[in-house]
Amino acid sequence: EPEVTQTPSHQVTQMGQEVILRCVPISNHLYFYWYRQILGQKVEFLVSFYNNEISEKSEIFDDQFSVERPDGSNFTLKIRSTKLEDSAMYFCASSDASYTDTQYFGPGTRLTVL
Amino acid sequence: AQKITQTQPGMFVQEKEAVTLDCTYDTSDPSYGLFWYKQPSSGEMIFLIYQGSYDQQNATEGRYSLNFQKARKSANLVISASQLGDSAMYFCAMREGGSARQLTFGSGTQLTVLP
Repeated sequence: EPEVTQTPSHQVTQMGQEVILRCVPISNHLYFYWYRQILGQKVEFLVSFYNNEISEKSEIFDDQFSVERPDGSNFTLKIRSTKLEDSAMYFCASSDASYTDTQYFGPGTRLTVL
Repeated sequence: AQKITQTQPGMFVQEKEAVTLDCTYDTSDPSYGLFWYKQPSSGEMIFLIYQGSYDQQNATEGRYSLNFQKARKSANLVISASQLGDSAMYFCAMREGGSARQLTFGSGTQLTVLP
């Protein structure tokens, strides 16, 4: 069964460093998403991406964040200068624009900013 | 106002019993979708079941069913014949209509299945 994959599973970085989180969405899906979940809290939407551009973004997704689809399979989230409060689980998801348009999530990348 | 409300932070159920996890939602959009996801302690988010606002019947997927009461704006998840592996956090989420595709999640319910 096709699935969303994410690398790395855990990333530790120093405050102020740049990180890139990588995702491979399900191959025939058209929409890609990033969400984050701070420990013990609800899942929060960051950004959605369609046809090589951002289609929606939340207030959390400020200038420190960017997304890219550098090739036909990868979808990345870059955080330019990490802050302590960026520590969270980051989930990538994808959907196929069907009637249900169900979003399937990857296993997540746990980002720890020291 | 909260768009998705899950009022049960924690629930316990005996193995093989049924359990209902509550979810209420708030939207003025006539077209929306409701989703339930399971998050085991390992952290991944697993899609369980979907209910569309125009769907005439309550959704079912194996041991999962959705008790959809549109007038009351509730979409409760029913898990029948609970198993130890059902112990996890359960999130209700909504996608409102139009071009927006983002999911809005509730705060979750931690379900523990007791042997």
